[in-house]
Amino acid sequence: DQQVKQNSPSLSVQEGRISILNCDYTNSMFDYFLWYKKYPAEGPTFLISISSIKDKNEDGRFTVFLNKSAKHLSLHIVPSQPGDSAVYFCAARPTQGGSEKLVFGKGTKLTVNP
Amino acid sequence: DVKVTQSSRYLVKRTGEKVFLECVQDMDHENMFWYRQDPGLGLRLIYFSYDVKMKEKGDIPEGYSVSREKKERFSLILESASTNQTSMYLCASSLFDRGRDYGYTFGSGTRLTVV
Repeated sequence: DQQVKQNSPSLSVQEGRISILNCDYTNSMFDYFLWYKKYPAEGPTFLISISSIKDKNEDGRFTVFLNKSAKHLSLHIVPSQPGDSAVYFCAARPTQGGSEKLVFGKGTKLTVNP
Repeated sequence: DVKVTQSSRYLVKRTGEKVFLECVQDMDHENMFWYRQDPGLGLRLIYFSYDVKMKEKGDIPEGYSVSREKKERFSLILESASTNQTSMYLCASSLFDRGRDYGYTFGSGTRLTVV
């Protein structure tokens, strides 16, 4: 049973427009959410995170929104650039006392067209 | 910066061979992980270790084993390689510190092809 779901396997946007990547989770016992970015033939790299006590976190062009009641988070990239083309993984961390294993979604492949 | 180094970027092995994938991290992290990434399946956890000589099975441990004799090194072993183990293998490490907010640090990955 998937606890972290990224329902869109792929997303295509035009350069300069907004990219919105979505992630849903089923377990209310997560206290931290993270986004990783992965280029082909490379390991994932940390992009941005958000604590469950917040509803928004910004870092430059990247903003993550968390809606706890809906168990939904989203990553906004504004403006999108061709170099943002990559696979984006959403991940969640169990609360204190739980496992240190992150739970990953299956990823969304973002393509930003020039 | 934490570095997680995987010994090979690309490997080609024959069916039935015993394969060793090595991973070394340089920041004294307690936790280390092995994942494989396949299209449409995301990142699947094979094994992880939270201390020297300690290991736990992940979601897909069949056909794999691991070794952690030193804190900085975590090895993944394919006992008898099969073609369905052709994949991208990713090693990661993390500190047991819940104040940190960026989870894992990943290596660059090893693309293994079994022929």
